[in-house]
Order: sequence, then C-alpha cells, then structure tokens
Amino acid sequence: DQQVKQNSPSLSVQEGRISILNCDYTNSMFDYFLWYKKYPAEGPTFLISISSIKDKNEDGRFTVFLNKSAKHLSLHIVPSQPGDSAVYFCAAFSGYALNFGKGTSLLVTP
Amino acid sequence: SQTIHQWPATLVQPVGSPLSLECTVEGTSNPNLYWYRQAAGRGLQLLFYSVGIGQISSEVPQNLSASRPQDRQFILSSKKLLLSDSGFYLCAWSTGTGRNEGLFFGSGTQLSVL
Repeated sequence: DQQVKQNSPSLSVQEGRISILNCDYTNSMFDYFLWYKKYPAEGPTFLISISSIKDKNEDGRFTVFLNKSAKHLSLHIVPSQPGDSAVYFCAAFSGYALNFGKGTSLLVTP
Repeated sequence: SQTIHQWPATLVQPVGSPLSLECTVEGTSNPNLYWYRQAAGRGLQLLFYSVGIGQISSEVPQNLSASRPQDRQFILSSKKLLLSDSGFYLCAWSTGTGRNEGLFFGSGTQLSVL
C-alpha cells in the first residue's frame, strides 16, 4: 500500500527554467515531509523538509509547498541546473517510520 | 562529525544462501537506525527500524530479519535468500525524531541473488 505517491516517473527541464516535482499522500497522520535527491548506486541525500503545520519552506533554489487539504506537496527548483539531474524522492514521517515515494527522475538539459 | 559505514558495496549470492549486511554509525550515540531496500524500478521500502539496542520494528513481513547488538550497529540477515531479495539495501540513521534533518543514509549494498 503506497502511502506516498509520485505519479511522474520522469521529468525533463531546460537549464535555467523551473522544475516542479509533485507528490501526493494518503495518510493524514504524516506530520513531516521531506525531499531527497539520489544518484545511482548511492544513498539518498536530504534536500529540504516541511512540517505539516506550514505551507511553504524555502532554502536557496529549493522551495517546498504543502497543501494539506489536497494531501499534496511539490518541490520547486529555480533555476534548474544540469547538476540537479537525479532521482528525487518525496518522503513523509509517521512516528519513527519515514515512508518514501517511488521517485521522479529529473533531467536538466543545457 | 557523524559517519555511517555500510558494507559490502556489492554482493552476489546464490539462492538459499545466508545473508549478513552490517552497518555502523560513528560520532553519535543512541541513534535511530533503519534498513531500506530499493528493488529494481521501485521506490525505497522501509524494512526495519530500531530506536534502541535490542528494539526492532518490522515494517514488511518477509524473508529478512534485523538485529541491533550494540548501540551503533545494525545488522540485516537472512537464513535463506530468495530471488526476490535482490535489490539495493540502504542503512540510515537519525537523531531524535529525525524530522528537521531527516535520515542520513549510507552508500548502500547492491545485492544480486542468482
């Protein structure tokens, strides 16, 4: 039962433009949401998080938006750079368990 | 600074053989420890987590088990591997609830069961 869903397996964006990665969830008990970036054959690295009591968190080029009523969050990367090309995972905490989506592969083209 | 060590990086095992993957964390005490698996074409699946020595929570019933014999050591085991156990295994740690900084992941073990 996939409680965190990333319905777009891949996304291609031109360098300098905005990348928007989407995530939906089903569990109302999730109280914290995180985005991770992952390269092949490596462990994921933490990017940015947001508490369920907030609707926006910004860190440099990365902004996460949370819409609790829609059970939806998104990660905006502005401007996108070729080095941003990776798989991005959405994740949500319930208790001690961090639940991940299946990931979206982002390709930023020059 | 804190570091996490996970080994081996790659492993090829025959079906029916045992498995032992080890993970250790340095530079912190009483961390929460996690085992995840990424199967081909799938996301990260939480297998086990531990909030203290000897305390193991299993998220998905399967052919695997976990143990935490020491504060900063987490072991993933199987008595008899199945083909479906193939995947990329990741160990992770966190402090407290892990909310602000998330989980810190090791470099992973690519397991191929043949």
